[in-house]
Amino acid sequence: AQSVTQLGSHVSVSEGALVLLRCNYSSSVPPYLFWYVQYPNQGLQLLLKYTSAATLVKGINGFEAEFKKSETSFHLTKPSAHMSDAAEYFCAVSDSSYKLIFGSGTRLLVRP
Amino acid sequence: DVKVTQSSRYLVKRTGEKVFLECVQDMDHENMFWYRQDPGLGLRLIYFSYDVKMKEKGDIPEGYSVSREKKERFSLILESASTNQTSMYLCASRPFQGEGQPQHFGDGTRLSIL
Repeated sequence: AQSVTQLGSHVSVSEGALVLLRCNYSSSVPPYLFWYVQYPNQGLQLLLKYTSAATLVKGINGFEAEFKKSETSFHLTKPSAHMSDAAEYFCAVSDSSYKLIFGSGTRLLVRP
Repeated sequence: DVKVTQSSRYLVKRTGEKVFLECVQDMDHENMFWYRQDPGLGLRLIYFSYDVKMKEKGDIPEGYSVSREKKERFSLILESASTNQTSMYLCASRPFQGEGQPQHFGDGTRLSIL
């Protein structure tokens, strides 16, 4: 069965600092992996997706994620945090079917 | 851009009422989904429809039903609302073709059952 673990329900960084949000997955088949962002009182917006074309995936708003098969990880990074990055971030995994399995989310706080 | 529209952003209902949540997508997607989102639990799948008049139960279907009479519209029905159904409800859609297709989400409906 597939599963996703996001380490840290809350992450706090200073504006301009590196953002690192951790995601580990479990899958018996080569997975498809996604990061979504949710701003307050809104739905989920796709940040980026991994579909086996390249291990380093670039997304919107300066975010990127690296697929590491040996570590079963898909961590999300951004070199320099901006106040507008404050939101909740969800990692999700899928096999070849329709179903997405979501992690429990990480709330990013950005300090001025 | 894909547009998924949920009919209400906020809704307040009373226990025992029959509640309808509506979702419309404009991209001719075959697959549509209803999730509920609760703090600390992430998103949990309630029901899924892979095409018109087709549906499958998700992980937490109890107390809910769905209707998909037209391709663009997917309705979630709370047959007899209870306070434990107070939650954020999210609708999503995706095309059937192509593995690894992402789901596209609406803005959500925050439902309170009093």
